[in-house]
Amino acid sequence: AQRVTQPEKLLSVFKGAPVELKCNYSYSGSPELFWYVQYSRQRLQLLLRHISRESIKGFTADLNKGETSFHLKKPFAQEEDSAMYYCALSHSWGKLQFGAGTQVVVTP
Amino acid sequence: DAGVTQSPTHLIKTRGQQVTLRCSPKSGHDTVSWYQQALGQGPQFIFQYYEEEERQRGNFPDRFSGHQFPNYSSELNVNALLLGDSALYLCASSLDRGSGRRTGELFFGEGSRLTVL
Repeated sequence: AQRVTQPEKLLSVFKGAPVELKCNYSYSGSPELFWYVQYSRQRLQLLLRHISRESIKGFTADLNKGETSFHLKKPFAQEEDSAMYYCALSHSWGKLQFGAGTQVVVTP
Repeated sequence: DAGVTQSPTHLIKTRGQQVTLRCSPKSGHDTVSWYQQALGQGPQFIFQYYEEEERQRGNFPDRFSGHQFPNYSSELNVNALLLGDSALYLCASSLDRGSGRRTGELFFGEGSRLTVL
């Protein structure tokens, strides 16, 4: 069965420290993976997708098919990175399967 | 562009009642998906509408039904409400027309928070 696992419910880091959010998946086909973010009092929005191989707001994520992982990383966390982050797997026709989410708190 | 709009923002119902939630997609989008987000959980896919038809459905009972109108707006109906239906219901829109491929970028509304007493 397809599954998206985010093992950390809460991640607390200091400003300027590296941050890594873990995401593991199980999927029988060729996956399309995404990170969505929800800042305080804002709606859920796309942060980045693996097919773009881009860096958004300093975040990167690499798809590792061998380890079935799609971890999100940023070398230097900023206070504005405090938010809820969801890893998501795309099935056909845009149906997303979300993980349970990781709350990131960046303290000064 | 107001983006995806949902109504109502909050509502309280009692067990056994029925509820209708509404969604207007982002301008130019033709596909509407509905998600249920229970407290402390990620959004769970309910179903998706495209060209006024239910195209995909998640693991939700038939009590959950929907509709898409010619202007692409959509409704989610839940019958015979249970306490466990209390959640945030999110609507998301996307543009799939002519794409012929999977798309993952969804634009979400702020949600309708349903409380069942």
